[in-house]
Amino acid sequence: KNQVEQSPQSLIILEGKNCTLQCNYTVSPFSNLRWYKQDTGRGPVSLTIMTFSENTKSNGRYTATLDADTKQSSLHITASQLSDSASYICVVSPPSGYSTLTFGKGTMLLVSP
Amino acid sequence: EPEVTQTPSHQVTQMGQEVILRCVPISNHLYFYWYRQILGQKVEFLVSFYNNEISEKSEIFDDQFSVERPDGSNFTLKIRSTKLEDSAMYFCASSEALGTTYEQYFGPGTRLTVT
Repeated sequence: KNQVEQSPQSLIILEGKNCTLQCNYTVSPFSNLRWYKQDTGRGPVSLTIMTFSENTKSNGRYTATLDADTKQSSLHITASQLSDSASYICVVSPPSGYSTLTFGKGTMLLVSP
Repeated sequence: EPEVTQTPSHQVTQMGQEVILRCVPISNHLYFYWYRQILGQKVEFLVSFYNNEISEKSEIFDDQFSVERPDGSNFTLKIRSTKLEDSAMYFCASSEALGTTYEQYFGPGTRLTVT
């Protein structure tokens, strides 16, 4: 069964600190992996998308890594800001069709002043 | 910047009633989607729609659900006879092309509460 597991479930960090969120998946075959940011009560917003041949992708202070061999991805946030407080969702896609898009449950990040 | 909009932001309905959730996708996008997220759970795919037809649907999207593009701008999700377990956040999304490498833009969601 295709699964996406994220850790930690929640995380509190001080403003200005860095953090790394983890995503392990069992989706196979694999097409691409996305990280989304979801503010409370809002829709997900895409941060990065990586195909199986890419192993890193940056978007400002967000850097995602992918190891397709171990089926692991991470999202690193540098110099955190209060506005980074949100849920971060890992989504994995196989090559065909949208019905098999597999979402993780997300990591809830709270950046405190 | 263009964005997907959804109305209403919150809908409360009684069990057994019909509800219609509305979405206005980004204007030059051709592919439309509905997702739902039960409180505390992961986002789940419901249906994708292109050229006035359903492209793909999940097991969740049973006969109680239907989608329609009634005019050139709106995209609707209808639930015929709501159940308590339909209570969730419903997200509409759109993309300019098909394929999981194309970006899907999500709306802010409609919170549906069935009592």
